[in-house]
Amino acid sequence: DAGVIQSPRHEVTEMGQEVTLRCKPISGHDYLFWYRQTMMRGLELLIYFNNNVPIDDSGMPEDRFSAKMPNASFSTLKIQPSEPRDSAVYFCASSSTRGTYGYTFGSGTRLTVV
Amino acid sequence: GESVGLHLPTLSVQEGDNSIINCAYSNSASDYFIWYKQESGKGPQFIIDIRSNMDKRQGQRVTVLLNKTVKHLSLQIAATQPGDSAVYFCAENTGYSTLTFGKGTMLLVSP
Repeated sequence: DAGVIQSPRHEVTEMGQEVTLRCKPISGHDYLFWYRQTMMRGLELLIYFNNNVPIDDSGMPEDRFSAKMPNASFSTLKIQPSEPRDSAVYFCASSSTRGTYGYTFGSGTRLTVV
Repeated sequence: GESVGLHLPTLSVQEGDNSIINCAYSNSASDYFIWYKQESGKGPQFIIDIRSNMDKRQGQRVTVLLNKTVKHLSLQIAATQPGDSAVYFCAENTGYSTLTFGKGTMLLVSP
């Protein structure tokens, strides 16, 4: 199993541009989570899906952020327009449960907005 | 890496020493706990877990201890190696929620 696959690994964009982060979860995992990691806040849960349906998006910072999961093998996190304060490492994780077993994380996307 | 930084508590040890990383949790209803390791430039990686009906669990070179009375979790690493240098996170779950992650502790191992 290749694990959770995220792309791109690094993204540098200018303020105001649209950014799309991609994630392929582990096959058979029903849950998919998007996290943001910064020095100040640590790991923050942005949104999670169960069977492709968004369950809790209360962690999404504002309307500039949106996430979709059109099928069981693909999810996107979009920021439009991007701002410098969005610079962070974004992780996708998947699991067979909401929290009674561990999550498997991808390698992350390091986003820099200049 | 970018994911760790100046504000993390840090534990510095010599190669071969035993390391103990501590975590205090706040929710007395939490019934499942995990330790993750995050190396620079990588995502968090599962190390070991423990459920609330246990107070100790051992893996390869790692032991997790759970003290529910004082809501404390610890990770012990035996014969620490330079490859163990990373940030270590504890995470907890209350059964119906998603995992809640702590801020992390940086472990630095000197040869």
